[in-house]
Formats: sequence, structure tokens, C-alpha cells
Amino acid sequence: NAGVTQTPKFQVLKTGQSMTLQCAQDMNHNSMYWYRQDPGMGLRLIYYSASEGTTDKGEVPNGYNVSRLNKREFSLRLESAAPSQTSVYFCASSEEIAGKSYEQYFGPGTRLTVT
Amino acid sequence: QQQVKQSPQSLIVQKGGISIINCAYENTAFDYFPWYQQFPGKGPALLIAIRPDVSEKKEGRFTISFNKSAKQFSLHIMDSQPGDSATYFCAARPYWNQGGKLIFGQGTELSVKP
Repeated sequence: NAGVTQTPKFQVLKTGQSMTLQCAQDMNHNSMYWYRQDPGMGLRLIYYSASEGTTDKGEVPNGYNVSRLNKREFSLRLESAAPSQTSVYFCASSEEIAGKSYEQYFGPGTRLTVT
Repeated sequence: QQQVKQSPQSLIVQKGGISIINCAYENTAFDYFPWYQQFPGKGPALLIAIRPDVSEKKEGRFTISFNKSAKQFSLHIMDSQPGDSATYFCAARPYWNQGGKLIFGQGTELSVKP
């Protein structure tokens, strides 16, 4: 049981380049999330998917797109990378038990640098 | 847009001391308040959580205190150990939300000195 996996672990991009961050979970969770973590800013939600086939914007969606490929996989795409997108990106998943549990399980993160 | 404010940003505590991290929220429509712990190079992991119908929850050395009228909740770490050195995030779940979407605080970097 690997939990939530993310690839790649590290990436350096030049301004204007594109890339896709991959995320997969093997816990059969319905909900998946993409966050970015910056010093002093906490974890900010970029996009989330409440269930397969649905995606919604979070707090900081500009410059990003997502695809919920199937129940297991949720990818994040940067179409034209900018230095402001230098950050650590986390994917998470959860299976809500109403009134009891909303625990999110996080992947190990992708450290992205845009020069 | 940040609706959960966390303080302090960093904290240094001696081994055996009490670590206290505070969070305040601006919206009353939250129904779940978790704390996450993150070690360097790792993703955050759930530490402890509370619902607004109780004022305190304790799990081992970790306690959440919740003050609904003041819209504040805090994490207390008793007998702090060097192994507790990590970044801690509070969070809140808007009750109107679909699923488990959370709003996180800014994080507190805790360092426990031996």
C-alpha cells in the first residue's frame, strides 16, 4: 500500500516551459487535491476533485490546469511556467465519512524551481 | 482570502517544556478543526482533530483546546521532545463544502532544543 505517490520529486524549469506533475493514490479515495507550499503562506489549495469526473478551483488556480484521469490519478499542469510558481507542490486524497473523518493523506511533494 | 490565522510563525522550546500554537478563524461555518504535522522533506500528516461540539481533545502529549465563542483553537504539546521538531499546520473545514476540502493556517515551525 503506497498511499499517495507523486512524480517527479524535483524539477527545474525555465520560464515559459510546460510540465505535468503526476499524482496517484491506491486507497480508493474519491477526493483529491493539489496544494502549493510557500514559506509563511502555509498550504494553499490550487485545485481539487471531489469525485472522478469533477474538478474545481481552489484559492490559487491561475496558471494551472488539472485532469482527474480516473479515480486513482490527478495531474497538475503548468502550461507556461513562471518564477512565481517556484514552490513545493503536494497532492493529497481523502475519503470523507460525514461527521466523523475528513483526514487528508499527503504525498511526499514535488520541489519545483522555475528560473 | 486566508480565513485561518496561525501564530507564532516559529517557536523554540526546551526539551520537557510546553509548546503552544494558536489559531483563529474568521468564519463561523466550520465544522472540523484538524492539526497536521510535517517533518522536513515529507508531506503533512494528520496529528489530531476536534469538532466544535467539544472544548478539548487529548491524545497522548497532544491536546487541542477549542473556544467557540472566541473563534480560536490551540495545540498544546506537553513534555516537548526533540522528535517533535516539525512544522505544524492548523486547518478548518467549511461545513458547506463538498467533501473534505480544508483551509490551512500559515504554519508554525517548532524547534525543541535538547
